[in-house]
Amino acid sequence: SQQGEEDPQALSIQEGENATMNCSYKTSINNLQWYRQNSGRGLVHLILIRSNEREKHSGRLRVTLDTSKKSSSLLITASRAADTASYFCAPEVRYNTDKLIFGTGTRLQVFP
Amino acid sequence: DVKVTQSSRYLVKRTGEKVFLECVQDMDHENMFWYRQDPGLGLRLIYFSYDVKMKEKGDIPEGYSVSREKKERFSLILESASTNQTSMYLCASTRPSTDTQYFGPGTRLTVL
Repeated sequence: SQQGEEDPQALSIQEGENATMNCSYKTSINNLQWYRQNSGRGLVHLILIRSNEREKHSGRLRVTLDTSKKSSSLLITASRAADTASYFCAPEVRYNTDKLIFGTGTRLQVFP
Repeated sequence: DVKVTQSSRYLVKRTGEKVFLECVQDMDHENMFWYRQDPGLGLRLIYFSYDVKMKEKGDIPEGYSVSREKKERFSLILESASTNQTSMYLCASTRPSTDTQYFGPGTRLTVL
């Protein structure tokens, strides 16, 4: 399978703590994207990191990418109850533009 | 803001029925996608379309067909619904080479 695989499958933390989710993939990529899904809803794009980038920030989100290890991580700092959702990584496979490969996601629960 | 809408949030059909799932986007996107999402399996690509009347099979096209007669509308058709097609169906759209996919809210289909 070429899918991104997230780890852990589930994560429970208290408000104010940081949440780290990891993603591994198996092939060369153009970029890697992270999406969020609230329960029973569609996915929302969070952040994109290109294959020549190592780190990217957006608000409380920090994404890293290590293409030599074929892995990425998403860090949410100072988490809030509203961050409770499932988070998916989606590598865009090189030479296969516009098609993303989604994993099974990490379910994040943030307790107030 | 990009808006992707799906015809139904919840749908219940009987085995053997023909089922149409409709997706409409309002941002003149060339690419449109249909995914299904199942617990433990993540999002899997069924079909995608990169232009009117153009389509390409995804990873799990069996039992499905699609129609793209107009740029804004992409339909997923289950010719003869079966119980193993009970799932959450998600539609997405994007411009070529712009990376971000915009998702609809999803249709939860139950086949009895």
